Amino acid sequence: GAGVSQTPSNKVTEKGKYVELRCDPISGHTALYWYRQSLGQGPEFLIYFQGTGAADDSGLPNDRFFAVRPEGSVSTLKIQRTERGDSAVYLCASSLMAGQWDEQFFGPGTRLTVL
Amino acid sequence: DAKTTQPPSMDCAEGRAANLPCNHSTISGNEYVYWYRQIHSQGPQYIIHGLKNNETNEMASLIITEDRKSSTLILPHATLRDTAVYYCIVRAGGGTASKLTFGTGTRLQVTL
Repeated sequence: GAGVSQTPSNKVTEKGKYVELRCDPISGHTALYWYRQSLGQGPEFLIYFQGTGAADDSGLPNDRFFAVRPEGSVSTLKIQRTERGDSAVYLCASSLMAGQWDEQFFGPGTRLTVL
Repeated sequence: DAKTTQPPSMDCAEGRAANLPCNHSTISGNEYVYWYRQIHSQGPQYIIHGLKNNETNEMASLIITEDRKSSTLILPHATLRDTAVYYCIVRAGGGTASKLTFGTGTRLQVTL
């Protein structure tokens, strides 16, 4: 079946602009996660959803970052007033249900470049 | 979550076993050891996980020491397609169990 998909694959924007990154999880997966990966580093947790609600948003760096999942499926990560330091690959993952032993399936990521 | 320590890089000849070590000396009793890998320009991929017993699946084996302070991921017959960054992750139980805390991993280069 289809895996996790993310759009766009690449996004170039200017400092100060607003961007939206989309994630389509695997059908039937109730848990959805966002991570951010800077060059040479491992992925860094941002937020995860169980259904429609954000169960843990402790990784969001500041209030310019916001994510939604209104119908418990597709999620959008929104970044306001982008800064050059926001440049990274944004990864989305989904799992059947949140738990200590769930396998997270990752998408290919969206590469965001802020000029 | 407990911190993990991995060597930054390793080489392995194709067809040989790749043994990737991980130290997690501060692991607590309810924490699992997970391994993921990330092939260039792709998202991470789950490999295996365990609590205290050794585990094996179609991809790899996981050996956890009796005191659980370290583990080794074994790829029995490495191929060029196994070239990737391998992440050892210790994952806490409880309400925040679901996030994965990645370190910088081990970059495994499989060569001919």
